[in-house]
Amino acid sequence: QQPVQSPQAVILREGEDAVINCSSSKALYSVHWYRQKHGEAPVFLMILLKGGEQKGHDKISASFNEKKQQSSLYLTASQLSYSGTYFCGTERFGYGQNFVFGPGTRLSVLP
Amino acid sequence: KAGVTQTPRYLIKTRGQQVTLSCSPISGHRSVSWYQQTPGQGLQFLFEYFSETQRNKGNFPGRFSGRQFSNSRSEMNVSTLELGDSALYLCASSSNTSGPLRGTDTQYFGPGTRLTVL
Repeated sequence: QQPVQSPQAVILREGEDAVINCSSSKALYSVHWYRQKHGEAPVFLMILLKGGEQKGHDKISASFNEKKQQSSLYLTASQLSYSGTYFCGTERFGYGQNFVFGPGTRLSVLP
Repeated sequence: KAGVTQTPRYLIKTRGQQVTLSCSPISGHRSVSWYQQTPGQGLQFLFEYFSETQRNKGNFPGRFSGRQFSNSRSEMNVSTLELGDSALYLCASSSNTSGPLRGTDTQYFGPGTRLTVL
């Protein structure tokens, strides 16, 4: 029941773009995205609640396709500070009591 | 506001021992959740407490237990430690007050307690 994230890891040069995907085999109510830097706590990025919803903050945005049961995180013109592991957390319909997190995507941005 | 704090930050124990971890949520937050993070399993939900009551529980054995105090501080206890319990234990607080933690609720994570079982 753990959502699937792809890719598992990605290496970028500063200024390049990246897409991280999160998909589930079950119907989803919401998707959360977090970023965790090595040795630090996960930091909340955004919540997506409705099918087709898109959100963005600075150059990081995300979409949530309810029908496809998947969400994508878009990192545009990546910066060195974007490096870390990105997790999606999913909440299923009728299971609004806790979240299931994906295994994470390790993103490395090189100068 | 101060963030979520966890103590201790690092612990080394041996098999069979028990351990207690502590978490202080953001001031005003009454919901505290605990997660286990391992390289192989990722972030796994342990349980959530609200107003001193356990609201939800993940799929962990009874050796894992918790409690919450009237000031919202929470403790997690693991008894009869096993090698596989080595992990980073994270707690997260939320301002949710209306029921079980939902997708609309943002969770703020603490830095975690790194537990090593030898």
